[in-house]
Amino acid sequence: SSELTQDPAVSVALGQTVRITCQGDSLRTYYASWYQQRPGQAPVVVIYGKNKRPSGIPDRFSGSGSGDTTSLTITGTQAEDEADYYCSSRDSSSDRWVFGGGTKLTVL
Amino acid sequence: QMQLEQSGAEVKKPGASVKLSCKASGFVFSDYWMHWVRQAPGQGLEWMGVINPSGSNSVYSQTFQGRVTMTRDTSTSTLYMEVSNLRSDDTAVYYCARDNSLKIVTTSTWWFDPWGQGTLVTVSS
Repeated sequence: SSELTQDPAVSVALGQTVRITCQGDSLRTYYASWYQQRPGQAPVVVIYGKNKRPSGIPDRFSGSGSGDTTSLTITGTQAEDEADYYCSSRDSSSDRWVFGGGTKLTVL
Repeated sequence: QMQLEQSGAEVKKPGASVKLSCKASGFVFSDYWMHWVRQAPGQGLEWMGVINPSGSNSVYSQTFQGRVTMTRDTSTSTLYMEVSNLRSDDTAVYYCARDNSLKIVTTSTWWFDPWGQGTLVTVSS
């Protein structure tokens, strides 16, 4: 089955830019979506499609991608952005859905 | 606003079954596919399955095939999932989420929004 691979942890200084990546064969076929999950809370979508933000998501969140890799970029990272981030996509081989393993973002 | 309200925490013994519910409001429940996702303690998100708007078709992760049954009641806008033959490693928070999809030129995308608040299922003898 297809997998989505993420770096387990990333850190960024307050106010700086950070990129979180997600890699998988399905991303050659489908766009991914990105979720922010703070401790004890349900996930919240922050990016879907090529680079679409739901209402209420700050414009410091953006998405990009090429080939089998997609990225979530946070520009001017704030303390409240410290959270776990997950990518997700439909699996092109099984027609089911899959999540990446998640990236823990630490804001220094 | 769109909301998914899940049932309360459950404690079950190994081998038992559990049926979780997820009540939708603020949108036309019968128009949407619905998903279940779980998260074991300290672990990542794991997709479990999806059910179509009428409830006539479900697709499950191979991991849960044969142990999970998803149903829905459009008259009450409620989604259900029953997990049978529970094991200790089924201890997790279970989330329901609405499916959304979009085709951008030739490429499709799906996203989960909104999510329920989660239901903790603890499996312990």
